[in-house]
Amino acid sequence: GDSVTQMEGPVTLSEEAFLTINCTYTATGYPSLFWYVQYPGEGLQLLLKATKADDKGSNKGFEATYRKETTSFHLEKGSVQVSDSAVYFCAFTNQAGTALIFGKGTTLSVSS
Amino acid sequence: EPEVTQTPSHQVTQMGQEVILRCVPISNHLYFYWYRQILGQKVEFLVSFYNNEISEKSEIFDDQFSVERPDGSNFTLKIRSTKLEDSAMYFCASTRGQANYEQYFGPGTRLTVT
Repeated sequence: GDSVTQMEGPVTLSEEAFLTINCTYTATGYPSLFWYVQYPGEGLQLLLKATKADDKGSNKGFEATYRKETTSFHLEKGSVQVSDSAVYFCAFTNQAGTALIFGKGTTLSVSS
Repeated sequence: EPEVTQTPSHQVTQMGQEVILRCVPISNHLYFYWYRQILGQKVEFLVSFYNNEISEKSEIFDDQFSVERPDGSNFTLKIRSTKLEDSAMYFCASTRGQANYEQYFGPGTRLTVT
């Protein structure tokens, strides 16, 4: 069935380090892909999205490219900040477009 | 900026009791959702709601669950007889459209069943 696999956390980095959080998906058809972020005590917020193959979503220095051939949507940032500490969720819409299918989330902790 | 709100932030209840979790979606949104996240596990879709009826539900959403939009602003999730395994964070979301539209999430209600 439809599913998302994210790299296990927590991920612990120093400020200005390079970040990659891997995400692969199993889906029917060609879904839209999303990264959501959850800061402590807050709800899920959309970080970026890509709606078709080879699209690159970007926001706040984060990027992810929709790779149909590898069914992946890895999240990257060149230089993380302490304020990026949060839980990151990879997700896609189901075939009907009515629901999001989420990964387990990856906790990122950035220290100064 | 408009946001989705949820109340209460934390609900403790005894097994077998009914609970109602409340959400106020963004006012011009048309589609509404409930998701849950059991501690340490992934966020799971429960139900979507459009035009005053359920448009899709997951296998988790059994007869113990129901949703309602009683007054045009609130969107509620009722669990009729709670079980220990219902303990989770419950998120409400809303969106203007489907598929490529961003779902806006509330901060969640932590439900603890004892």
